[in-house]
Amino acid sequence: GQQVMQIPQYQHVQEGEDFTTYCNSSTTLSNIQWYKQRPGGHPVFLIQLVKSGEVKKQKRLTFQFGEAKKNSSLHITATQTTDVGTYFCAGRDYGQNFVFGPGTRLSVLP
Amino acid sequence: SAVISQKPSRDICQRGTSLTIQCQVDSQVTMMFWYRQQPGQSLTLIATANQGSEATYESGFVIDKFPISRPNLTFSTLTVSNMSPEDSSIYLCSVEDPGQNYGYTFGSGTRLTVV
Repeated sequence: GQQVMQIPQYQHVQEGEDFTTYCNSSTTLSNIQWYKQRPGGHPVFLIQLVKSGEVKKQKRLTFQFGEAKKNSSLHITATQTTDVGTYFCAGRDYGQNFVFGPGTRLSVLP
Repeated sequence: SAVISQKPSRDICQRGTSLTIQCQVDSQVTMMFWYRQQPGQSLTLIATANQGSEATYESGFVIDKFPISRPNLTFSTLTVSNMSPEDSSIYLCSVEDPGQNYGYTFGSGTRLTVV
């Protein structure tokens, strides 16, 4: 079945440093979504990418969908302590299977 | 975007008992999804609940253990039956939200501890 992997599992950065998490699917995706879960909170939808090679920005966050629609990345520029949390990608394949990746846990040291 | 009220937010239960979790959505939705999240882990889909039909369960989850009700388009319940400590987890309901490009909106979760 469809598998979605993310690397790294954990990332510790100093405030102000950049951060990137990568998401890889075993199957071609119709779309990919990104979520953020603060410690003790529930996942919150950030964005959806649909087109091959698509790039979207939300302030300091840049999301990219690979040309082959099997991978994606989330890049945060100049991290802040408010960026702390776990970032999940979730991929939907053409069979409508929707699978969450294992997440990347980000900690930001002030 | 949709707003989901989920309760209880947390509970501590004795093994062998059952707990029913409720989710109320502020808009009508066709499908509601129930997820389980073990501490520090990702989200695992338990089942999809459609109004007017039986829920569809994912591999490893069965109706006898996790019965689901979906009496209308805004409400659903998940029951965790005959609980054991292995059922200790966070349970979340969610919906596809047209207000955010059909990204999932989640309830605030139910943190269940079975002792």
